[in-house]
Amino acid sequence: DTGVSQDPRHKITKRGQNVTFRCDPISEHNRLYWYRQTLGQGPEFLTYFQNEAQLEKSRLLSDRFSAERPKGSFSTLEIQRTEQGDSAMYLCASSRANSYEQYFGPGTRLTVT
Amino acid sequence: AQSVTQPDIHITVSEGASLELRCNYSYGATPYLFWYVQSPGQGLQLLLKYFSGDTLVQGIKGFEAEFKRSQSSFNLRKPSVHWSDAAEYFCAVGAPGDTDKLIFGTGTRLQVFP
Repeated sequence: DTGVSQDPRHKITKRGQNVTFRCDPISEHNRLYWYRQTLGQGPEFLTYFQNEAQLEKSRLLSDRFSAERPKGSFSTLEIQRTEQGDSAMYLCASSRANSYEQYFGPGTRLTVT
Repeated sequence: AQSVTQPDIHITVSEGASLELRCNYSYGATPYLFWYVQSPGQGLQLLLKYFSGDTLVQGIKGFEAEFKRSQSSFNLRKPSVHWSDAAEYFCAVGAPGDTDKLIFGTGTRLQVFP
């Protein structure tokens, strides 16, 4: 069990640039979640996949955000035209169906300058 | 709508002292309840969970939590704190039958003095 991995761990970008993050879940987990955590706050739900299907998106996920999970394995989260308010830790988690236990990766810290 | 309140933003204890971190939730039925710990710059590690049954649940690292339906609470406890327990602690609630997304509290930062 190698755990959930995320890449990159840190990303610094200039306002207006596009960024993409990758998450590799635990191999037998078919559910994958993205959360966003800002300083001093708890993680906030962004979106959820069951296998390759994106089943729920938070209202926090503006049109500039898109997530994919091709073939139900790894997932990518893309932010277009980044804004300073996008600066946050982006966390990925995975779980087995019906287990309700989510295992988190180390996160990608995004800084928009 | 579900919500989680962690009333203590920051707690300081001496090493060896007992610890209780408070968590109150709002949900129409019995939710699934979790405590996670986060070290600086790291992801979240699951400490323990409550789904049903015995209201006192044991977790890793010597932590336990008690579900009290009448108080809508799920407080985390440890009888003797170690310096390595210094971290941020998050309580979370999930709704059975939903997409299983978690709603987190704002966290409690634990500082441990020698």
